[in-house]
Amino acid sequence: GEDVEQSLFLSVREGDSSVINCTYTDSSSTYLYWYKQEPGAGLQLLTYIFSNMDMKQDQRLTVLLNKKDKHLSLRIADTQTGDSAIYFCAERLYGGATNKLIFGTGTLLAVQP
Amino acid sequence: DVKVTQSSRYLVKRTGEKVFLECVQDMDHENMFWYRQDPGLGLRLIYFSYDVKMKEKGDIPEGYSVSREKKERFSLILESASTNQTSMYLCASSTPWTGERQPQHFGDGTRLSIL
Repeated sequence: GEDVEQSLFLSVREGDSSVINCTYTDSSSTYLYWYKQEPGAGLQLLTYIFSNMDMKQDQRLTVLLNKKDKHLSLRIADTQTGDSAIYFCAERLYGGATNKLIFGTGTLLAVQP
Repeated sequence: DVKVTQSSRYLVKRTGEKVFLECVQDMDHENMFWYRQDPGLGLRLIYFSYDVKMKEKGDIPEGYSVSREKKERFSLILESASTNQTSMYLCASSTPWTGERQPQHFGDGTRLSIL
């Protein structure tokens, strides 16, 4: 089945690292995305990883993909108060011409000063 | 930069009214999507359209319909609004799948309250 799961809430102190986790069930996923939603706004693409990669780094962001366990994580180094938001992981399933994504439930990241 | 514009940020309607939510994108994208977002449930796909006048049901289409008369515009219609349709509605667009990284681009959302 198609299901993407995330924990609902994470609280960290400013300057610490944050790790947001995601599990998915479809092993045929191709691209996996991380989106950020700030209060009152839409979703903004943060980063992505292709399914044949294990890791991707982009400035303070590190994405790790464990295909065997179907586990995706987003690490934010030196977390700032501006990182407080809801983070969604999403998978693009293999096959079909329509660019349909399956989204997780979202993780609310609260950064304490 | 891709721009996806939703016509209203906040909307208050009454039970039984017919409600239109409008979405316009400026990047000539073929695919457009409507989601609703509820706490603890994430984003759930209501309908999507892969071209003009083409549409497919998503995971929760009941109580909704859509219209795509022009490529840049995708409308979500609540035929007879009910209180359980109070939610945040998000529109997105993207190119068709070609095997490359092609994210969906989102509007800022419409927070709809049905009284």
